[in-house]
Amino acid sequence: QSALTQPASVSGSPGQSITISCTGTSSDVGGYNYVSWYQQHPGKAPKLMIYDVSNRPSGVSNRFSGSKSGNTASLTISGLQAEDEADYYCSSYTSSSTLLFGGGTKLTVL
Amino acid sequence: QVQLQESGPGLVKPSETLSLTCTVSGGSISSYYWSWIRQPPGKGLEWIGYIYYSGSTNYNPSLKSRVTISVDTSKNQFSLKLSSVTAADTAVYYCASLNIYCSSTSCYQRTVDYWGQGTLVTVSS
Repeated sequence: QSALTQPASVSGSPGQSITISCTGTSSDVGGYNYVSWYQQHPGKAPKLMIYDVSNRPSGVSNRFSGSKSGNTASLTISGLQAEDEADYYCSSYTSSSTLLFGGGTKLTVL
Repeated sequence: QVQLQESGPGLVKPSETLSLTCTVSGGSISSYYWSWIRQPPGKGLEWIGYIYYSGSTNYNPSLKSRVTISVDTSKNQFSLKLSSVTAADTAVYYCASLNIYCSSTSCYQRTVDYWGQGTLVTVSS
C-alpha cells in the first residue's frame, strides 16, 4: 500500500499562511472522515495536531486547521511562527482496516 | 494523560527477532487500543499494527507474516516482536495509543493520540 501523497516541502514567511495537501484515494482519504495531521520536530516524537479531518485536540493552537475535499485533505497553518518549522504527516484509515501515513512534508519558516 | 515508554535492545543481528516493550503509565491499558509505528532514519512513518487489551490484533499486511504484538495487562505493558529482521527494519520504533471507533460491524482507526519518545533499533551484524 503506497503512502499518501504529500509535497516534500513547503515554506512561508512569519505571519503568512501555508497549506499542506495530502492526497489519497476513495479507499482512504476520500472514503472516511478519519484523517489526522501530526507535527514532528527533529529528534522528537510526532504530536497530534488535527483529527477527524478538522478537529483540534485540547492545547493545539487555533492557527492550525484541517479540511478535506474529495480524495485530498489539507492542513492550513495561519500566522506562521518560527516554532512551526517541522515535518508534518497526514494519516488516514483505509478500507483494508489499516492506518496509512503520508510521506511527510518539511515546513520551512523563512 | 497517558505516557508511554519503549524499552529493548538497540542493536539486533540480521535474521534474528527484534523485541520491544512499551510501558503505559497515567492510564489503564484496558482503556485504549495500543499500536506500534516505525520510522526509518530520514523517512516517513509506517504503521505496524495494534492490539486491544483483550488480545485482539490487527497488523499491516506488509509485515503480518513477521509481526506479533502481545499485551500483559498485569504489568500495563504491550510488546512487539518482529522476526527475520534485515537492515530495512532499522528504524525508530514508537509505541502509541490508538483512538479507534467500533460500530456493530467494523472498527475504524481514527487517530494516534499519544506517542512514546521512540527507540532506535539498528539491524547490523
